Amino acid sequence: DGGITQSPKYLFRKEGQNVTLSCEQNLNHDAMYWYRQDPGQGLRLIYYSQIVNDFQKGDIAEGYSVSREKKESFPLTVTSAQKNPTAFYLCASSIGPTFTAGTGELFFGEGSRLTVL
Amino acid sequence: AQSVTQLDSHVSVSEGTPVLLRCNYSSSYSPSLFWYVQHPNKGLQLLLKYTSAATLVKGINGFEAEFKKSETSFHLTKPSAHMSDAAEYFCVYQAGTALIFGKGTTLSVSS
Repeated sequence: DGGITQSPKYLFRKEGQNVTLSCEQNLNHDAMYWYRQDPGQGLRLIYYSQIVNDFQKGDIAEGYSVSREKKESFPLTVTSAQKNPTAFYLCASSIGPTFTAGTGELFFGEGSRLTVL
Repeated sequence: AQSVTQLDSHVSVSEGTPVLLRCNYSSSYSPSLFWYVQHPNKGLQLLLKYTSAATLVKGINGFEAEFKKSETSFHLTKPSAHMSDAAEYFCVYQAGTALIFGKGTTLSVSS
């Protein structure tokens, strides 16, 4: 079955450590996204990528980094510079570039929950 | 400024009774609007979308929503709630280059 796979599902990190969250898709989608979800806050966009080897900052990119070396992979690194990294992280993809009318349908992975100890 | 507001953070219903989850948007554009559902510790799944065709949109699992431009609303309804509908629901607004998520409404269903 096609879909988006995120790993790990749960992750614990000590302060000062970088961690990388994996996101892989086999939907052949061009665009991929990382969102952060906090209780009562909805989803906030961290980074997105419309094509391989290109990515753009979202609304809350500070303290995060990404790469897009392959179409199917879009890993997110949470760096020690992120002051409040404990959250639920969601990866998503879309068939083509979003942000044009009617193309806002996203396909989501099951998320990774990061807890800083 | 463009925005989307979910008017209730929490809605509680009994099984078999109607569901109404309210969403209002603010925009000078003609928007595309979506409702997504999220079960605990899972990703989001698309329920339905409005993209300027029919104003009454039918989605999966018996849900539907009506786009009312005069009221700038896109409320989600279901005639009869099921226990499996208990989840968090997000109204999402897209206009121009913006894709904006509401803060979510948690739906509880009691037997």
